[in-house]
Amino acid sequence: GDSVTQMEGPVTLSEEAFLTINCTYTATGYPSLFWYVQYPGEGLQLLLKATKADDKGSNKGFEATYRKETTSFHLEKGSVQVSDSAVYFCALFSGGYNKLIFGAGTRLAVHP
Amino acid sequence: DTAVSQTPKYLVTQMGNDKSIKCEQNLGHDTMYWYKQDSKKFLKIMFSYNNKELIINETVPNRFSPKSPDKAHLNLHINSLELGDSAVYFCASSQETLSGNYGYTFGSGTRLTVV
Repeated sequence: GDSVTQMEGPVTLSEEAFLTINCTYTATGYPSLFWYVQYPGEGLQLLLKATKADDKGSNKGFEATYRKETTSFHLEKGSVQVSDSAVYFCALFSGGYNKLIFGAGTRLAVHP
Repeated sequence: DTAVSQTPKYLVTQMGNDKSIKCEQNLGHDTMYWYKQDSKKFLKIMFSYNNKELIINETVPNRFSPKSPDKAHLNLHINSLELGDSAVYFCASSQETLSGNYGYTFGSGTRLTVV
């Protein structure tokens, strides 16, 4: 079935460092791809999305590009802040299964 | 204005009890979901309802029973609670035909602790 694989965390960075969180997927067809963020004690918020190959989603300095050839949707940010500390989830919308399927989540901790 | 609201936010209860979690959305969406997040943060869908009709029912113990009185509400009732039911439960909603474009909107979660 359809699935999402994310790099294991935690990822620990200093403020202003470059961030990459890897995400790859397995799916039939061409699913829509999403990154959600969960701040401590809160629910999931949609961070960015891409609905077709080569689309780039971006929001709050974060970016991810839908790469069909490598079935990837890696999350990047050029300069992280302490306030970016959270758990990040990669997800795909599976049309075949009619549901949003999540990766295991990657915890990011940013230190001053 | 809260888009997807769940109550209660925290729930501590003893094994064997029966409890309910309520969810309401004011987005006009036609589909609602329950997800379970375990202690390792893994998220798994449990149920989804479209216009009060059950459309996804994952392999969830039948102690869990969702109820949707109308398309704006989806409640989760759990009978005979077990220690393993301790988790955070998230409600979400979407417009089914647009889920692929916009994803889901999530509530802030209900942390259930069974002691």
